[in-house]
Amino acid sequence: AQSVAQPEDQVNVAEGNPLTVKCTYSVSGNPYLFWYVQYPNRGLQFLLKYITGDNLVKGSYGFEAEFNKSQTSFHLKKPSALVSDSALYFCAVRDMYTGGFKTIFGAGTRLFVKA
Amino acid sequence: GAVVSQHPSWVICKSGTSVKIECRSLDFQATTMFWYRQFPKQSLMLMATSNEGSKATYEQGVEKDKFLINHASLTLSTLTVTSAHPEDSSFYICSASESLQENEQFFGPGTRLTVL
Repeated sequence: AQSVAQPEDQVNVAEGNPLTVKCTYSVSGNPYLFWYVQYPNRGLQFLLKYITGDNLVKGSYGFEAEFNKSQTSFHLKKPSALVSDSALYFCAVRDMYTGGFKTIFGAGTRLFVKA
Repeated sequence: GAVVSQHPSWVICKSGTSVKIECRSLDFQATTMFWYRQFPKQSLMLMATSNEGSKATYEQGVEKDKFLINHASLTLSTLTVTSAHPEDSSFYICSASESLQENEQFFGPGTRLTVL
């Protein structure tokens, strides 16, 4: 079965510093990987995805993620964090099967950006 | 981008009553819809997947008779929590996709259910 792991419950970073939110995956076949962000009492917002192609994927709000096949990782990064980036971040993997698909989410990592 | 709405955004009900939550795709036809529940400070757990006109496929451990899902049209899916109990209190999120193989999945804003 497909799965993702987010080893950090929380990440703290100062505004203006680079941030990294970690994700590792376990899939059979080619991975379809995603990052989503959730603000309090809100649904999920799509940030970026990796399907195929360049290992460095650029997404919304200045975020990017690097797909690393040898390390089975898909870490989310941003060169300069903003206080408004503080939110809950989910890594996810698409599980394809005959007749459809479903998305499996990691446990989530809460990001705190201090001013 | 595609928009998914949910109604109501929050609901409080008494134990033993049933609650219906609606999920609508506003500007696209959703062949597939998904229902998730999220407990405080936890991840989204997939409850069921529904394809328009077909019975929903429930994840292991999710009671079909308690969480009734109807996907009668390409723009509407409903989740009914029957005989709700306090342990059913949670944040319920739906999402929708235009096709069975579509990579893009659009999420609703969620519905917070509190059962007293």
